[in-house]
Amino acid sequence: DIQMTQSPSSVSASVGDRVTITCRANQGITSWVAWYQQKPGKAPKLLIYGTSNLQDGVPSRFSGSGFGTDFALTISSLQPEDFATYYCQQANTFPLTFGGGTKVEIK
Amino acid sequence: QVQLQQSGPGLLKPSQTLSLTCAISGDTISTNSAAWNWIRQSPSRGLEWLGRTYYRSRWYHDYAVSVKSRMTINPDTSKNQVSLQLNSVTPEDTAVYYCARGVGSSWYDYWGQGTLVTVSS
Repeated sequence: DIQMTQSPSSVSASVGDRVTITCRANQGITSWVAWYQQKPGKAPKLLIYGTSNLQDGVPSRFSGSGFGTDFALTISSLQPEDFATYYCQQANTFPLTFGGGTKVEIK
Repeated sequence: QVQLQQSGPGLLKPSQTLSLTCAISGDTISTNSAAWNWIRQSPSRGLEWLGRTYYRSRWYHDYAVSVKSRMTINPDTSKNQVSLQLNSVTPEDTAVYYCARGVGSSWYDYWGQGTLVTVSS
């Protein structure tokens, strides 16, 4: 199975900050990456698919980049509702696998 | 608007069978463009894909190696729902279980609300 390694595991930030989360695959997955946001007690919510495509209704402050093995999710100006845990997921090779998550906390 | 509504018991004893149902509205489970997945989440294993069913002229099923011998996913087109059965549960199966719609064989764009399943004697 393809392993997805996220870093950092947690980050403390303030409203208005720019936050970048990275995800590394242990083998090349071209552009087959998605990002999810999860809040406590809720299901994950799809934010970005195909590395950089925003899901309908997702604010433009979220963006994704990368190719091959290294990917990033950036929040350009952190808002109060963005404090959550974020997961990457590879969709290149079955079985589809997730990263371990990055918790974005209030500083 | 696609919605997935899960139901099923949340407390089981070891060796029992876990049965969950995912009722779908706003889409048809026999669509040719989606797959219907079961995913679980626990502190020890994170988000773990368990299996899926999808229709492409006939029904297909795929299962994770870790549960393949114990798991069955059944589609019910008359009720537009999919069910999960996991036999011989142990405390390691304790997790929140989700059903999710997969876009083809890629990402998951709609999720059920989740069911906390606890296996304890």
